[in-house]
Amino acid sequence: DADVTQTPRNRITKTGKRIMLECSQTKGHDRMYWYRQDPGLGLRLIYYSFDVKDINKGEISDGYSVSRQAQAKFSLSLESAIPNQTALYFCATSDGVVGSYNEQFFGPGTRLTVL
Amino acid sequence: AQSVTQPDIHITVSEGASLELRCNYSYGATPYLFWYVQSPGQGLQLLLKYFSGDTLVQGIKGFEAEFKRSQSSFNLRKPSVHWSDAAEYFCAVGPYSSASKIIFGSGTRLSIRP
Repeated sequence: DADVTQTPRNRITKTGKRIMLECSQTKGHDRMYWYRQDPGLGLRLIYYSFDVKDINKGEISDGYSVSRQAQAKFSLSLESAIPNQTALYFCATSDGVVGSYNEQFFGPGTRLTVL
Repeated sequence: AQSVTQPDIHITVSEGASLELRCNYSYGATPYLFWYVQSPGQGLQLLLKYFSGDTLVQGIKGFEAEFKRSQSSFNLRKPSVHWSDAAEYFCAVGPYSSASKIIFGSGTRLSIRP
C-alpha cells in the first residue's frame, strides 16, 4: 500500500461548490503539506502543518482552508471553488526530525477541474 | 530571497544519449538540494539529495548531480537515457525559514526521441 494516499484522484466540480480533498499517510510523519501544481509554475505551497495543533499558511492560501484531524490525516478544502483553482494538488509529508533534512514524500495527486 | 531556476522548460534527447538538466538556486545559507521526478500521472519521487560532503551525488535510476557552490548550481546528469526517463523533473532547495520548507523550481519536461 502507498505511504501517502489522496482521495479523490480526480474531481470535476462547478463554480461555487465546496470541495474537500483528503490526504492520509502511514509513514508516521508529523509534518504534512498541501501543494498545487500548475503548468510552468512548479509546485506552490498552500498550507502546511507540523503537528495536529499547528497549521500555517503557505504562499497561496487564499481561497483554501485545511484541517488536521489526526497525525495521519490532513484535508484541504475549497469553500467556494472557482475556475482558476483548476490544478493538480499534491499532499506531502516529512518527519521533521532534527537532522533529517526535511525530505518530503508525495502522494499521487488529485486532479481538480472547476467548471 | 530564496529561489530555484530551471531555465529549460522542455528538453528532447535521443534514447541512449547523455542528459544534463540545469538548476540554479539563490539561497542565503548552505542549501539542501533535491531532484524529484514526476512520471505522467504520478506523484513526485525523490531522485537524489545533497546536504553536505562529496559534491557529486548519486541517485536512483542511474542519475547523478553535482553541487557547484561557486556557480550556485545543482545540475542533474545521466550518461545514457532510456525511454522510461521521459518525465518532468523538479529541482528544489531548502530549508528556508524555521519552518523548514522547501522551494521547487518550475520543472523541466524531458522527452525521449526513439
